[in-house]
This record gives sequence, structure tokens and C-alpha cells, in this order.
Amino acid sequence: QQQVKQSPQSLIVQKGGISIINCAYENTAFDYFPWYQQFPGKGPALLIAIRPDVSEKKEGRFTISFNKSAKQFSLHIMDSQPGDSATYFCAASKSIGNQFYFGTGTSLTVIP
Amino acid sequence: NAGVTQTPKFQVLKTGQSMTLQCAQDMNHEYMSWYRQDPGMGLRLIHYSVGAGITDQGEVPNGYNVSRSTTEDFPLRLLSAAPSQTSVYFCASSGLTDTQYFGPGTRLTVL
Repeated sequence: QQQVKQSPQSLIVQKGGISIINCAYENTAFDYFPWYQQFPGKGPALLIAIRPDVSEKKEGRFTISFNKSAKQFSLHIMDSQPGDSATYFCAASKSIGNQFYFGTGTSLTVIP
Repeated sequence: NAGVTQTPKFQVLKTGQSMTLQCAQDMNHEYMSWYRQDPGMGLRLIHYSVGAGITDQGEVPNGYNVSRSTTEDFPLRLLSAAPSQTSVYFCASSGLTDTQYFGPGTRLTVL
């Protein structure tokens, strides 16, 4: 049973466009929601994360929007660049126990 | 500060063979985890540890063993390799800030 559901599976965006990836969860005990970026042949790296006490967090071109009542959160990449082409994973965890549950990933391609 | 290191980077096994995937971190992190990554399935937690001497099962623990004798090391043992264990394996560690740091991965093929 997938604890975190992620969509779309793949995404193609023009350079300068906005990339949007969505995730949904069921377990209301989750209190930490990170996004990871993974390039081919590398391990995932933390991109940005949010806790449920805020509805939005922005770091540069990357923004997480969080909807606690809908149990959904999304990653927005503004002004998408070819260098953003990678696989993105959302995740959720409970601080106690530190177990992370990952979405199935979104392959983003930004075309020049 | 090397972060999280994993060895080997690549491994080919025959069905029934056993092996140990090594993972080490030099950040003094309490939490360490093993994941496998398969196409279309994301990262799935195999085993995790909240400190030396303490381990627990994740989502897909069957066929794998772990131990945590030191804070730094968290090896993953495949007892009797099966083709279904062909995957990319990632080790990760985290401290009190929840940020997980991943190693570079081990690509395992079981024939």
C-alpha cells in the first residue's frame, strides 16, 4: 500500500515554464514533507521541505504548497531550466521513528 | 567529511549467493536506513536503525538482514540472493533535523 501517491509519472516543460508535481498522503501522523531531486546515477538529495504548520515554503525558484485539510502537497518549479531535468520524489515522515515514505517519482524534462 | 559512503558501486550475483552491502557515515547521525529503488516504485524502505544496537523492519524486509554495532556503520546482508532483489540500493542517514543524506547507491544484479 503506497503511503504517498505522486503524480504525474513524467513531465515535459518548456524552458522558462512552471513545473508542478503533486503528492497526496493518508496518514495524518505525518509531520514532515520533503522533496528530493535525483540525477541519473546519483543518490537523491534534499531540495526543499515543509512542516504542516505552514501552507507554503519558497526557496529560490522552488516552492512547496501544502494543504493540510486535503492531505496534499505540491512542488512548483518556476522558470524551469534544462538543468532542472531530473527525477523528483516527494516523501513524508513522522518525526518520531524517522521512517520516510516516498512517492513513486516524477521524471522531469525541461526542453530548451 | 565524506558524508554517506557505500560499497561496492556495482555487483553481480548468482541466485543463491550471499553478500553484504556496506554503508558508512561520518556525520555522527543516529538514524540510518536502507532503501531499494525500482522503476516506477520509488524508494522503498528495507530496514532502518534509530541508533547503535537498534534496528527495525521497513516496508520490504524479506530476504535482508541488518545490524548496527556502531553509529557509523550499517551493513545490509542478502542471505540468499534472488532475481527479485535486482535493484539499486541506497543507504541514508539523518540526525535530529530530519534531513536525510543519501549515499551514491549500489547497483545489484542477480542472475
